[in-house]
Amino acid sequence: AQSVTQLGSHVSVSEGALVLLRCNYSSSVPPYLFWYVQYPNQGLQLLLKYTTGATLVKGINGFEAEFKKSETSFHLTKPSAHMSDAAEYFCAVSDNAYGANNLFFGTGTRLTVIP
Amino acid sequence: GAGVSQSPRYKVAKRGQDVALRCDPISGHVSLFWYQQALGQGPEFLTYFQNEAQLDKSGLPSDRFFAERPEGSVSTLKIQRTQQEDSAVYLCASSPSGKDEQFFGPGTRLTVL
Repeated sequence: AQSVTQLGSHVSVSEGALVLLRCNYSSSVPPYLFWYVQYPNQGLQLLLKYTTGATLVKGINGFEAEFKKSETSFHLTKPSAHMSDAAEYFCAVSDNAYGANNLFFGTGTRLTVIP
Repeated sequence: GAGVSQSPRYKVAKRGQDVALRCDPISGHVSLFWYQQALGQGPEFLTYFQNEAQLDKSGLPSDRFFAERPEGSVSTLKIQRTQQEDSAVYLCASSPSGKDEQFFGPGTRLTVL
């Protein structure tokens, strides 16, 4: 079975500071891992994904994440927070059932950026 | 180009009413997914279509929930005899094939009184 744990439902950082959002996963098969961002009253937007290959994945808006199999982690980072980064962030793992990436999401982390 | 659209954006229903939620995927996308997002939670998988075939409905919470995609394009999620616990945002996503990135619609917020 696949599941995701996001540590910290709320994270606050100062503008310009490092952003670190934590995600640990459980998967019975080699995982596909995703980070999505959700702005108020909008759908989810893909930030980045890991399928195979390079374990450091770069995404949009300056975000990146590193797949660490030994730690079953896929933490999201950004060197310098911007006010526009304030949003809800979801980590997800797929089960690849029926040849499709059915996604299993964590409970989300709300990022607040303090001016 | 147009993204995934969902209608209505907001729906208020009295307990016991039937509701129908519509999803218009991106044109040409083979795969379509429905998710339920309760307040303060992450989205939870409901069901998956490849073209008109419903390949996975393991996430549907009860037999009151029914989804269809008869022509392999527009999909409708129907909830019969709505209950308060059905209150949530229902998200639809489509992808070119099941293994590609999923593009999400804005969701329908259902409130059952």
